[in-house]
Amino acid sequence: AQTVTQSQPEMSVQEAETVTLSCTYDTSESDYYLFWYKQPPSRQMILVIRQEAYKQQNATENRFSVNFQKAAKSFSLKISDSQLGDAAMYFCAYRRPNTGTASKLTFGTGTRLQVTL
Amino acid sequence: EAGVAQSPRYKIIEKRQSVAFWCNPISGHATLYWYQQILGQGPKLLIQFQNNGVVDDSQLPKDRFSAERLKGVDSTLKIQPAKLEDSAVYLCASSRRGAYEQYFGPGTRLTVT
Repeated sequence: AQTVTQSQPEMSVQEAETVTLSCTYDTSESDYYLFWYKQPPSRQMILVIRQEAYKQQNATENRFSVNFQKAAKSFSLKISDSQLGDAAMYFCAYRRPNTGTASKLTFGTGTRLQVTL
Repeated sequence: EAGVAQSPRYKIIEKRQSVAFWCNPISGHATLYWYQQILGQGPKLLIQFQNNGVVDDSQLPKDRFSAERLKGVDSTLKIQPAKLEDSAVYLCASSRRGAYEQYFGPGTRLTVT
């Protein structure tokens, strides 16, 4: 079974600074998808960024980028120029490739990010 | 495009009572998911529907939880009877068939006393 581990329960960053959130996962699959989701106090999960395992290039979405190390099974999220609105829980998630129709997300336990002035 | 709708947003019940949650996915999304998120944990899949058929319910406690998706659109999740450990946020998500992105609703926070 796949597992996702987030070893940082809480992180803090000053506004305009850069922060990196860590995630490791365990799988025997060679093809899969990895995601970072943001969950603000409103509870609605919002997709931040995704990475396909077959792509060597790290994904980037504006101020958000990932460092995907497939051999090490590591998938960290870097937030640049942090803003107050970035404060939230961040979840790393794993998804198997489209084998049949089962496509659940397996989530880590989350990292709470605080952004200070 | 309207997002995933869920109701109620909050529910407080006593143990051994029953409760039902409702979800309306994004129009045209064939796949619907129910996740349970216990405080301090990441969401865990309870059940996945493809249209109105069940794809994965391996982690659904079938002795007390049930779910249905009539006509492949709306879905209800029921707990009967509830236990204290069922206190959690219940998230509904939907996606287009075969698509990687799941769109989540605002969730229902259930407190069992």
